[in-house]
Amino acid sequence: EVQLVQSGAEVKKPGESLKISCEGSGHSFNTYWIGWVRQMPGKGLEWMGRIYPADSNTRYRPSFQGQVTISADKSISTAYLQWSSLRASDTAMYYCARLSSAAGNFFDSWGQGTQVTVSS
Amino acid sequence: SYELTQAPSVSVSPGQTASITCSGANVEDKYVSWYQQKPGQSPLLVIYQDTKRPSGTPERFSGSNSGNTATLTISGTQALDEADYYCQAWDSNTVVFGGGTKLTVL
Repeated sequence: EVQLVQSGAEVKKPGESLKISCEGSGHSFNTYWIGWVRQMPGKGLEWMGRIYPADSNTRYRPSFQGQVTISADKSISTAYLQWSSLRASDTAMYYCARLSSAAGNFFDSWGQGTQVTVSS
Repeated sequence: SYELTQAPSVSVSPGQTASITCSGANVEDKYVSWYQQKPGQSPLLVIYQDTKRPSGTPERFSGSNSGNTATLTISGTQALDEADYYCQAWDSNTVVFGGGTKLTVL
């Protein structure tokens, strides 16, 4: 069974750094693109970017370029999303999801989500 | 950038058919996927490649894509189908989500 397990909820102050994780199991994690999706409170899904763990090839949605960093450690089947300086507007639920290898580029498996709260 | 537009809300009576639309320029040229998200849960893929159901998706869920509109249809809607539904497509190496439709079963 494909599983993506994300790290736990975080409460941070503005200006602090943060790195959240997404560990895959039950499949060849390194040979699937992994995407990150933001969901702000009461809002819809926003794609942030994706990474191919086998070679760390990364693509960002332009509005997130420079705001976050997506990385991966293929040796432990884990992808990461990190911020160097959080803002209150980063408060959201963040999901990782696996992009299917089939035509259509859809997310066929999702993590449980990581709630990030940024407040002074 | 490419955009997908969904109505914010749709209401349906139990047992009736719900249609949730997703509009985009020439969307028929792209594969559309649909996700169901219930409160407090992660999104769940219910339709991919316009019309295909993953294992586990009930047969009452179906999809179509023609012209500028993709449609998710739920036949014989049940109370447990009440959720937010998002369409998604791929454009220029970018994932695009629709804004989501809240389906109310009443």
